[in-house]
Amino acid sequence: KQEVTQIPAALSVPEGENLVLNCSFTDSAIYNLQWFRQDPGKGLTSLLLIQSSQREQTSGRLNASLDKSSGRSTLYIAASQPGDSATYLCAGGGSEKLVFGKGMKLTVNP
Amino acid sequence: GAGVSQSPSNKVTEKGKDVELRCDPISGHTALYWYRQRLGQGLEFLIYFQGNSAPDKSGLPSDRFSAERTGESVSTLTIQRTQQEDSAVYLCASSFLAGGNTIYFGEGSWLTVV
Repeated sequence: KQEVTQIPAALSVPEGENLVLNCSFTDSAIYNLQWFRQDPGKGLTSLLLIQSSQREQTSGRLNASLDKSSGRSTLYIAASQPGDSATYLCAGGGSEKLVFGKGMKLTVNP
Repeated sequence: GAGVSQSPSNKVTEKGKDVELRCDPISGHTALYWYRQRLGQGLEFLIYFQGNSAPDKSGLPSDRFSAERTGESVSTLTIQRTQQEDSAVYLCASSFLAGGNTIYFGEGSWLTVV
C-alpha cells in the first residue's frame, strides 16, 4: 500500500530564499509523481507531473525531481515570493489513483 | 468545459438528510476521481471512474456513500443519512486517462452537516 509523507508540515521563510520541499513514498512502483498547490478555500492546482521514466520536470521557478530507488521527490522553488504562500501537496500515482501526502504549508514573508 | 466544475460549492444539511454532489469533468477526460478532505487533513481517496465504470470503490467510507457516472461525463456522489463526520470538502478531479496523466481538480463542494 502506497504511503506518501511530507516533512515538515509547515515552513515559514523570508522572501527571496530558494526552497526545497521534500516528499517520500513507500512503493517505488509508481507511475508518476505529481506536485500540487492548494490555496485556502480552493481546490488543487497541478504544478508538475513527473512520469516514472523521467527524473525531473521544470516550470518557471519550479523544478521537481524524482528518485524512485530512494522513494523521494523534491520540489525546488527558486527565489521565493509571497505569492508562493500556499499548501504544497505531493501525490504518488499508481495505475489508477493518486495517493496524497498531507501537504506542507508554506509561508513566504515579505 | 474549461475546467472541472462542481456543485453545489457549499451545502449545509441537517443530520440524517441525503445530499447529492455533482461533478462536471473536463470535456474528453475519461477518468474521474472523487476525494474527500476533512478540515486539517490530507486528501482521502473515495472512488474513481474510467468511463462509466468504477473499478475501484475501495475508498467509500460506508454503504451510505455511492457514486455514479453517466455518458462518460457528469458524476454524482450521493451521501445518504448524513452524519456530522461527513462534514468535509469533497473534491472531484478528472484526467484524460487513468494513471500517468495530469489530473485537474475542481474547487470542491464544502459540506457541513449540523
